[in-house]
Amino acid sequence: QKEVEQNSGPLSVPEGAIASLNCTYSDRGSQSFFWYRQYSGKSPELIMFIYSNGDKEDGRFTAQLNKASQYVSLLIRDSQPSDSATYLCAVKAGANSKLTFGKGITLSVRP
Amino acid sequence: DADVTQTPRNRITKTGKRIMLECSQTKGHDRMYWYRQDPGLGLQLIYYSFDVKDINKGEISDGYSVSRQAQAKFSLSLESAIPNQTALYFCATSDWSTDTQYFGPGTRLTVL
Repeated sequence: QKEVEQNSGPLSVPEGAIASLNCTYSDRGSQSFFWYRQYSGKSPELIMFIYSNGDKEDGRFTAQLNKASQYVSLLIRDSQPSDSATYLCAVKAGANSKLTFGKGITLSVRP
Repeated sequence: DADVTQTPRNRITKTGKRIMLECSQTKGHDRMYWYRQDPGLGLQLIYYSFDVKDINKGEISDGYSVSRQAQAKFSLSLESAIPNQTALYFCATSDWSTDTQYFGPGTRLTVL
């Protein structure tokens, strides 16, 4: 059973702080890693994907991947109240495999 | 216009009724998926299809069936709805090269 685990949360940070969201996965053969954001009652939307070890930055978001330790994280710099949402980590093993989602962690950014 | 559409957006039905949820996409993707989401349980995969002739069961396919009518259309059926199928249902599509999944707006289903 392939598993994707996320911190139970919720996570609360003050406006302007860095929010750090973590995710671990069990399948060592996993190749692709995704972060989705989901506002309450809405559909998930892609924030970032990462395939290689290291950091990948996109604006205020940075994804970090460490395949040896089997974790992927998302950093949100200068957090804004509009970042308040549930963040879903998703992992894919190979070209014809399916995504496995974590249960998500709810982030609240306090003004 | 939205790239992935779902109909209906909301549905209330009674136990034992047959119900169909429909998904259409204009993204030209071959791969389509149906998920359900319950509070605190994340997204659970029901069925997925990598092309028109390919249908695969996901984690929780019991009580559900699907039909891939065309590349752009993927329908989910509940043959005899039961209350614990009350959930938010999402359709998603992906391209084979990146496999980034794009979600429809969701269907909120309530089974009384």
